[in-house]
Amino acid sequence: QQQVKQSPQSLIVQKGGISIINCAYENTAFDYFPWYQQFPGKGPALLIAIRPDVSEKKEGRFTISFNKSAKQFSLHIMDSQPGDSATYFCAASISNSGYALNFGKGTSLLVTP
Amino acid sequence: DTGVSQDPRHKITKRGQNVTFRCDPISEHNRLYWYRQTLGQGPEFLTYFQNEAQLEKSRLLSDRFSAERPKGSFSTLEIQRTEQGDSAMYLCASSLARTEAFFGQGTRLTVV
Repeated sequence: QQQVKQSPQSLIVQKGGISIINCAYENTAFDYFPWYQQFPGKGPALLIAIRPDVSEKKEGRFTISFNKSAKQFSLHIMDSQPGDSATYFCAASISNSGYALNFGKGTSLLVTP
Repeated sequence: DTGVSQDPRHKITKRGQNVTFRCDPISEHNRLYWYRQTLGQGPEFLTYFQNEAQLEKSRLLSDRFSAERPKGSFSTLEIQRTEQGDSAMYLCASSLARTEAFFGQGTRLTVV
């Protein structure tokens, strides 16, 4: 059973545009929500993470928006660049159960020149 | 390189054979995780160690799978009597308590 649902499955954005990826969860015990970026043949790398006590977190061109009541969170990539082309995964975990991550199915992002 | 190291990077094995993978976490990290990732899917949690203690196992970890972390340092994941459905990328990650998890490059297993 997929505990974190991610959409869209794939996304094409022009260089300079905004990429938006959405995730939803059901388990209200989740209290840590990271986003990972994965290039082909590599392991996932943490981009940015948020805890439910804040509604937004920004790091450079990457922003997480978090809506606790709707149980949804999203990743916004501003000024998207061809080098951002990768697969992005949202995840959720429970801090007092070891932070084992429950991943979404991923979004394949292609940024065209 | 002080990141998470996994060995081998690729493994091709015949169905029915046993395979073992190794993970060396970042040296000061006390938590170690194993995940499995199939093509087009997100990683799926398999098991988690805090120091040498295996604290959680997913129901995905059938009795053909066993993981160890002797002395709380490196970890091994063994798959006995491999099946074609075991073909996947096996990812290891490590972390300190309440901090981000860093992933290794993974071991890609192909069962033929």
